[in-house]
Amino acid sequence: GAVVSQHPSWVICKSGTSVKIECRSLDFQATTMFWYRQFPKQSLMLMATSNEGSKATYEQGVEKDKFLINHASLTLSTLTVTSAHPEDSSFYICSARILGEVGEQFFGPGTRLTVL
Amino acid sequence: AQSVTQPDIHITVSEGASLELRCNYSYGATPYLFWYVQSPGQGLQLLLKYFSGDTLVQGIKGFEAEFKRSQSSFNLRKPSVHWSDAAEYFCAVGAYLKTDKLIFGTGTRLQVFP
Repeated sequence: GAVVSQHPSWVICKSGTSVKIECRSLDFQATTMFWYRQFPKQSLMLMATSNEGSKATYEQGVEKDKFLINHASLTLSTLTVTSAHPEDSSFYICSARILGEVGEQFFGPGTRLTVL
Repeated sequence: AQSVTQPDIHITVSEGASLELRCNYSYGATPYLFWYVQSPGQGLQLLLKYFSGDTLVQGIKGFEAEFKRSQSSFNLRKPSVHWSDAAEYFCAVGAYLKTDKLIFGTGTRLQVFP
């Protein structure tokens, strides 16, 4: 149980295009999902907290207009990287917390974004 | 402010040897503590967690961790390491204030020699 999927697992795009990454909780409902960014050989940095039916809460320094987050249902959150540039290339990981429970987050397998 | 420190960036051990990965945290109240493992190019898998109760926590794959409030530590241990344990290990603390976000340490890369 408590499986989180991400799609796509990897994506290559041209500079200036937009890319959407999906995060789904497959066997549970998640009121809260989190989006992280991880640079090579570094730790996870929280980008934003996504709450179903409301606006995402972004961490300091994260551009809201560049990283659009939508949490339209209890099982799906999306991250759209708008007008992507090479410096946006990274490993993006989402996680989800089970509705009604505190503490543990379940992580997706990650999405490798490469912007040419 | 909440923070997590993993002093060891890289650890190398021989297969069969014991292992201890260090984690220290800074938090204003009782923390929720986690250890996650990440294989290259993969997401994170939970090894174990501590919320309350017994300070020695058992996890998957033979790992355990001990919460020591007086030392603000949550070190991960395994008595006998297997080659498949080679991975990146992250300690995390739950900051359960307004947003129940996790704060991660910088990670420890474990290398296992045969």
